[in-house]
Amino acid sequence: QKEVEQNSGPLSVPEGAIASLNCTYSDRGSQSFFWYRQYSGKSPELIMFIYSNGDKEDGRFTAQLNKASQYVSLLIRDSQPSDSATYLCAVTATTDSWGKLQFGAGTQVVVTP
Amino acid sequence: EAGVTQFPSHSVIEKGQTVTLRCDPISGHDNLYWYRRVMGKEIKFLLHFVKESKQDESGMPNNRFLAERTGGTYSTLKVQPAELEDSGVYFCASSQDGFRDLFHNEQFFGPGTRLTVL
Repeated sequence: QKEVEQNSGPLSVPEGAIASLNCTYSDRGSQSFFWYRQYSGKSPELIMFIYSNGDKEDGRFTAQLNKASQYVSLLIRDSQPSDSATYLCAVTATTDSWGKLQFGAGTQVVVTP
Repeated sequence: EAGVTQFPSHSVIEKGQTVTLRCDPISGHDNLYWYRRVMGKEIKFLLHFVKESKQDESGMPNNRFLAERTGGTYSTLKVQPAELEDSGVYFCASSQDGFRDLFHNEQFFGPGTRLTVL
């Protein structure tokens, strides 16, 4: 079992619709959760982070965390063609390895005009 | 403010040769990380420096890899001798005061070095 799992996609989303991305993790002691966006051939860019159960909104992005169920999700509202990218879920596991990000393989999102 | 920079952007070497990758973190960031993505796989952690000290090197694959961060500024990652399976993209990231607040360890990534071992 992978430590961080994501659907690889591609997730095809019409322009203006909501893109919903899911991520599950295996380590129940995980503390911090991050969503990165990566355009092809570019570096991962941090777009959201969440530490507490519940929702966190930032512009068109909403991160949702449910530690009991060990999943974190990302919603992208009013999807734009510029949102087409690979979205990486990353988790820091336990406090004794707080700097180590564990990444999922990423979900490719394609926003169609 | 300049972001994380890495050099070179691409490197093509023959099996058995040595390659040294360099990373300059964001100014003022004490934490520096190395990650690697091999073809078709997820990004994997290699190691973490806090200033010049190795906080966690659990992800280093073997003793052919040597990372240094003399003076707590830039870091180098040397692969010697390189093998075919070392090919991939090597990312460097940095973050600010993760130790003081374990929950606020947002890492900012550099553009990566694409290493090809032939």
